[in-house]
Amino acid sequence: QVQLQESGPGLMKPSETLSLTCVVSGGSVSSNNWWSWVRQPPGKGLEWIAEIFHSGSAHYNPSLGSRVAISMDESNNHLSLRLTSVTAADTATYYCARHVSVPTTRGFDFWGRGVQVTVSS
Amino acid sequence: EIVLTQSPGTLSLVPGERATLSCRTSQSVLNTYIAWYQQKPGQAPRLLIYGGFTRATGIPDRFSGSGSGTDFTLTISRLEPEDFAMYYCQCQQYGVSHVYAFGQGTKLEIK
Repeated sequence: QVQLQESGPGLMKPSETLSLTCVVSGGSVSSNNWWSWVRQPPGKGLEWIAEIFHSGSAHYNPSLGSRVAISMDESNNHLSLRLTSVTAADTATYYCARHVSVPTTRGFDFWGRGVQVTVSS
Repeated sequence: EIVLTQSPGTLSLVPGERATLSCRTSQSVLNTYIAWYQQKPGQAPRLLIYGGFTRATGIPDRFSGSGSGTDFTLTISRLEPEDFAMYYCQCQQYGVSHVYAFGQGTKLEIK
C-alpha cells in the first residue's frame, strides 16, 4: 500500500519561501505515475498546484506563475515543493498525491494526510 | 482556463435515498479525464471515480460516474450514513495538457 507523508514549517511570515517535502513509502516515485501537489485553504475547495514525472517533466498551475517549483529526489523517494514570496492567501493544507497510472484516464488515487501551513505576520 | 461548476452547492437527503451530483465544465472535456472525490472533515480527499466512470479500489458499487461533453454526474444509488460528506469533481483540461481543475464542491448532508 502506497503511503505519502508531507512535512513543512507550519507557521511562516509573509514574503518567506515555503518548502514542503512528501516522503513516499510502499511505492517508488520512479514508477510509471505522475505525482502532484494540491492545496486547500481553510474551509475552501481544492486547488491543483503542480505535477511531476520521474523523467523530470513538470507542469504548473498558471495562477501561481513563477512562484512555484516542484522537484523529485528518486534516491530518497520523495517529492518537494517550493513556493516563494508567500502571503496570507497561501495559507492552506498542502497535500501530495499520486496519479493513477491507467493510460488516458485521470484521477489521484493516493493522498497524504496533508500539512497545514499558515502565513501570518 | 477551464472552470468546473458543481451543483447543487448543498444536497439534503436521508439514508436510503438516491443522490445525484452534477459537475459542468466550461468547455468540452474527454469523459475519461473526469474524477470524483469524497472528503470528510479533517481528512484528505478519497478517490471514488477515475477515468469518468471507473470505481477506484474498494469503492462500493452504489457509487457510479457518467456523462460526456460538458455535463458529468456522480450518482449514489442508496445513501449510507457514511456517505454524507463533501464531493469534488476534477478534470484535466482537454487540449491543454497537464492543467487540472477542481469543482467548488457539493456538500451532501443528512436531512
